Amino acid sequence: GAVVSQHPSRVICKSGTSVKIECRSLDFQATTMFWYRQFPKQSLMLMATSNEGSKATYEQGVEKDKFLINHASLTLSTLTVTSAHPEDSSFYICSARLGPANTEAFFGQGTRLTVV
Amino acid sequence: RKEVEQDPGPFNVPEGATVAFNCTYSNSASQSFFWYRQDCRKEPKLLMSVYSSGNEDGRFTAQLNRASQYISLLIRDSKLSDSATYLCVVISGTYKYIFGTGTRLKVLA
Repeated sequence: GAVVSQHPSRVICKSGTSVKIECRSLDFQATTMFWYRQFPKQSLMLMATSNEGSKATYEQGVEKDKFLINHASLTLSTLTVTSAHPEDSSFYICSARLGPANTEAFFGQGTRLTVV
Repeated sequence: RKEVEQDPGPFNVPEGATVAFNCTYSNSASQSFFWYRQDCRKEPKLLMSVYSSGNEDGRFTAQLNRASQYISLLIRDSKLSDSATYLCVVISGTYKYIFGTGTRLKVLA
């Protein structure tokens, strides 16, 4: 099946620094990828939709200047958490669809970010 | 009201039991429906799509009731390895994936 790879799986950073998370579609091209955040015992919350070659679409309440998304190729999207704060500590997951807009999505392994 | 609602559980059931989860959605224009399974500290993995006619995959049966706007997941002959959180996912009219909060299942030996 389709594989989405996310890196790193775990990162610890200091407050005020930036962290980049990569999401790759390994065996298919993804014009659209999605970034989610999940806090403990809560559901996945969509942060933004990443579109290849154009600006990302952010959900209400998500700061685009803090969560920078770049989708420079059909197989790679990156999320950069800038000026990280402890409250940004969370599980970040990307996903991509193999087919049309109403088909299932495949998820990366997730990145557990801890800001100290 | 949340777009997708699930009973968070936990559902504690003995091995071999049959257990059912429901998930309600508020947007009647929702187009596609899925059940995902998420293990602790892992990414969600697709369990099965949910079709209007209902579908079965081994011990798992999924059904959709558009009139009442809910989907269900039935697990028969529960195994210890079925212990996980089951996420209901609905694709909205704008093609966004909307996740329920998940239902935690714990199968006991």
